[in-house]
Amino acid sequence: ELKVEQNPLFLSMQEGKNYTIYCNYSTTSDRLYWYRQDPGKSLESLFVLLSNGAVKQEGRLMASLDTKARLSTLHITAAVHDLSATYFCAVDIFKAAGNKLTFGGGTRVLVKP
Amino acid sequence: EPEVTQTPSHQVTQMGQEVILRCVPISNHLYFYWYRQILGQKVEFLVSFYNNEISEKSEIFDDQFSVERPDGSNFTLKIRSTKLEDSAMYFCASSGTSGRRSYNEQFFGPGTRLTVL
Repeated sequence: ELKVEQNPLFLSMQEGKNYTIYCNYSTTSDRLYWYRQDPGKSLESLFVLLSNGAVKQEGRLMASLDTKARLSTLHITAAVHDLSATYFCAVDIFKAAGNKLTFGGGTRVLVKP
Repeated sequence: EPEVTQTPSHQVTQMGQEVILRCVPISNHLYFYWYRQILGQKVEFLVSFYNNEISEKSEIFDDQFSVERPDGSNFTLKIRSTKLEDSAMYFCASSGTSGRRSYNEQFFGPGTRLTVL
């Protein structure tokens, strides 16, 4: 059974500093996704990582994937208040009839001035 | 930009009642999913649906749950006799392309908050 673990579960950030969220998964997976969720809202796709060594960046967020270590990181550079949200990683395994996503527990991020 | 829509946004029901949650996936997508998220917890897979049948379901998706695609646009989740523990946010998602090995990003709807009293 595929398991996905994130840490930390909660991250209190100071504006302007850098932080990293880690996502480990237990078995070989085809793809890794990062989502952002604001309170009471849906899941907003941030990144899709498709291969070993993949790195993607958008603004202050950068995600990377190491499939050998079964590890993805989401790096936040110079945190700002707008980045306060819960971040989830998710992995899937390709099947011809659809790809079920298995989510990590989420990392709740609070950026303080 | 095409998006997944869900109705209602909030449903309040009494324990034991039947509820139907509705979703309109992105029009050319082939794969449909339901997930749920209990307040403050992670998102959990319920069921996937392809080619007019369930392709995979989780342990949560017991006999009280069913899904249907009654026409070419809607995708519904029915809970026959709701329990208190069914209170959660329910997300519909859809993804596209064919069944060959390819990248299939799932797009999520805004969710339906179900409250069982």
